[in-house]
Amino acid sequence: EDQVTQSPEALRLQEGESSSLNCSYTVSGLRGLFWYRQDPGKGPEFLFTLYSAGEEKEKERLKATLTKKESFLHITAPKPEDSATYLCAVQAQGSQGNLIFGKGTKLSVKP
Amino acid sequence: NAGVTQTPKFQVLKTGQSMTLQCAQDMNHNSMYWYRQDPGMGLRLIYYSASEGTTDKGEVPNGYNVSRLNKREFSLRLESAAPSQTSVYFCASTPGQLGYTFGSGTRLTVV
Repeated sequence: EDQVTQSPEALRLQEGESSSLNCSYTVSGLRGLFWYRQDPGKGPEFLFTLYSAGEEKEKERLKATLTKKESFLHITAPKPEDSATYLCAVQAQGSQGNLIFGKGTKLSVKP
Repeated sequence: NAGVTQTPKFQVLKTGQSMTLQCAQDMNHNSMYWYRQDPGMGLRLIYYSASEGTTDKGEVPNGYNVSRLNKREFSLRLESAAPSQTSVYFCASTPGQLGYTFGSGTRLTVV
């Protein structure tokens, strides 16, 4: 069964304190792995797509990496505005675009 | 602004009532999806439409029906609402292998 597990469930950081979020996945043929950011009361906002092991993508203070079993979202010198829930999702080969989501990591960055 | 528009944003129903959640996208995307998001459960796929004229069941389709009215619009209908259908509903669309674009959600309470 395809599944996605994110850890930790919640993470509290001080402003400037770098850390990483983990996304472990089991899928029958990975077509793509996606990271989203979700603010309270809003829909998820697309951040990155990773397609193959070894791939990395960056956007401002965020960098996503991918191995054959997991992905990391590294947050460098976070700011309070980075506070949000970060969602990981996978798309399996032959899935017609359906995504399987993890439960998310709620990040709080204190000034 | 281009994107996914969902209506209504909030709704309270009595058990047994019916309603239709509306979703429209103006990005000329082929595929559209309906997800529900519950605390501690993550996003779960209800129904999807890979292209105009087709619809398929997702992980949790019971109690729901969908209509792909045209390429832009994909509606979700609750025929006889139940308290277990209290949730936040998100519509999303994608042109293919790129990440989804999500709407802002419909917050539904069934009493």
